[in-house]
Parts: sequence; C-alpha cells; structure tokens
Amino acid sequence: EAGVAQSPRYKIIEKRQSVAFWCNPISGHATLYWYQQILGQGPKLLIQFQNNGVVDDSQLPKDRFSAERLKGVDSTLKIQPAKLEDSAVYLCASSLGTPRQGYTFGSGTRLTVV
Amino acid sequence: AQSVTQLDSHVSVSEGTPVLLRCNYSSSYSPSLFWYVQHPNKGLQLLLKYTSAATLVKGINGFEAEFKKSETSFHLTKPSAHMSDAAEYFCVVSGGTGTASKLTFGTGTRLQVTL
Repeated sequence: EAGVAQSPRYKIIEKRQSVAFWCNPISGHATLYWYQQILGQGPKLLIQFQNNGVVDDSQLPKDRFSAERLKGVDSTLKIQPAKLEDSAVYLCASSLGTPRQGYTFGSGTRLTVV
Repeated sequence: AQSVTQLDSHVSVSEGTPVLLRCNYSSSYSPSLFWYVQHPNKGLQLLLKYTSAATLVKGINGFEAEFKKSETSFHLTKPSAHMSDAAEYFCVVSGGTGTASKLTFGTGTRLQVTL
C-alpha cells in the first residue's frame, strides 16, 4: 500500500512569514496526527483528527498554528506568522484508529525559519 | 495520562556486542508500546510493537523487547550490534482505544556503534 505522503520535503522561510504543509494519509485511515520534532527531541503531538473532526489540539499553539482536514482525507497544517523556534520537522501520521492496527509516519517536512 | 522515560540519552557499543536500550512507561490504560528507529534525515520506522499479546516481542533487524508490567518497562535488546544500527531510537506509549489512542514519545536514545 502507498505510504503517508507529505510535501514539501524542505522549506526555508523568514520569521513572520507564513507556511503550509500538506499530508495525504493512507487510504481508509480515519485517524491523522501532526507531530512537531525539534532537533534533538522526540516528536510532540500537535493535533489529532478523527475523520474530519479534531480529537486533541491541546498542544497546538493556536495563536499561530492552524490545521484542517477537509472531507476526512488530506490535511494541511499552517503557521502564521512563523517564529525562529518553529524550526523543526513536521511529521504526519495516520492509523485505522487503534494501537493494535499500527501507525504509519510520513517522511516529514523540515522547516527552517531564519 | 501517559508518559515514557528513556533512561539513557546516548548509548555506545562495539560492533558485535549486545545492545540494551532502556524504557519505562506510565499509562492510565492498558498500554500499547512501540519502538521506532530514526536514521539521520530519514523518517520514523517501526521496529516492533506490544499490544497485549505475547510479552516478548520480536521485531525487524534482530531487535526484540520484553514487556514487564511489574517493572513498567519495555527495554529494547539485540544480541549483536551492527554498524547499520547506529541511529536514534524512540520508545512510544499509546493508551486508550479509538479516538483516545495517541502516541507519546520518549526523548530518544542515540545509539553509536563503533568498530
């Protein structure tokens, strides 16, 4: 089966600019996650979708980050305006919904804010 | 609530010697536990997972882990390290089911393999 697709692979922007990342999960996976991985740290959950509804966005900095999952398939994550500390790899993952069924991660988008 | 503690941020072994990466967990639910590996500039790859079946779990590339409920541990082992094993390893816990099943990552252990 095809994996989780993410784009772009790399992005460099100046602080205060805006940026958007795109994720296409595995077909049929109801649950979609966005994680932020800062260099040298483990991934941190930003937001979790079940179909097109938000399940958990408690760690999403809502003053600058937003995410949507239209029609319960693709998802976009946006940052506006970006700060230097947003430099990280943004990972998308999808699953059928239970741990037993496993999670699949995309290759990530590496964001550098200068 | 759930959390994971990886007891070593960095482990160095010689090629051909055993590997032990330690992980302790905390979860309000009966947990599912995972080990992921991340090679430099690569995505996360699942090594193995425990989901309440056999407590000794075998994964890819010769790795295995044992779930010990009494010790709340899920240590990763490999009998003989290979140079290609050098990478960052993450212990991950997931509690709950359905919409509650999110992953919580540890801070990672960097494995160095020397000649």
